[in-house]
Amino acid sequence: SQQGEEDPQALSIQEGENATMNCSYKTSINNLQWYRQNSGRGLVHLILIRSNEREKHSGRLRVTLDTSKKSSSLLITASRAADTASYFCATASEYGNKLVFGAGTILRVKS
Amino acid sequence: NAGVMQNPRHLVRRRGQEARLRCSPMKGHSHVYWYRQLPEEGLKFMVYLQKENIIDESGMPKERFSAEFPKEGPSILRIQQVVRGDSAAYFCASAYSNRVGNTEAFFGQGTRLTVV
Repeated sequence: SQQGEEDPQALSIQEGENATMNCSYKTSINNLQWYRQNSGRGLVHLILIRSNEREKHSGRLRVTLDTSKKSSSLLITASRAADTASYFCATASEYGNKLVFGAGTILRVKS
Repeated sequence: NAGVMQNPRHLVRRRGQEARLRCSPMKGHSHVYWYRQLPEEGLKFMVYLQKENIIDESGMPKERFSAEFPKEGPSILRIQQVVRGDSAAYFCASAYSNRVGNTEAFFGQGTRLTVV
């Protein structure tokens, strides 16, 4: 079964607005990662947050992690049309030797 | 550093033919992962290989699918006697560490397989 589940499945916002995507997972983790996938392309790593971290920033991205609720959120501030993509959270398997992805959130930013 | 290179980008096969997908990891990376993605879905893990070894093939179908990562050359994902249900995008990722949960994985652009 999938480790990560994102919601919403799809999100449409206007340029300049903030976009928030959530991810829930089922088992204990060491780290959680977020990736972006543009249409027809491969995945690009955005950010990694460790289990002992609660929040992490990278440019316009802010990731939070709540291990008690087994959930994470990705916030994109001041969104741009170029942010239009699918966003996936990923966690490592028990032995840490493979990443397990959720179904993703499709973000559309309208200009 | 050219990144993870996959070829071909697009592959069309008739039912019953064989499909061979190639992946060259980033320079210095000896850990390769194959994933399959159906339209509008996330990536499903298939297999994890190190040079000359299959470490975890728990996501590989039991029949028709095989993978290798030889000492020299790219990693190969082979699908024999393809069926329409094999149509998907196949992604390869490489990592420097075997603890891919602790480090960034680098993905190729994928091979889009269409079975007609």
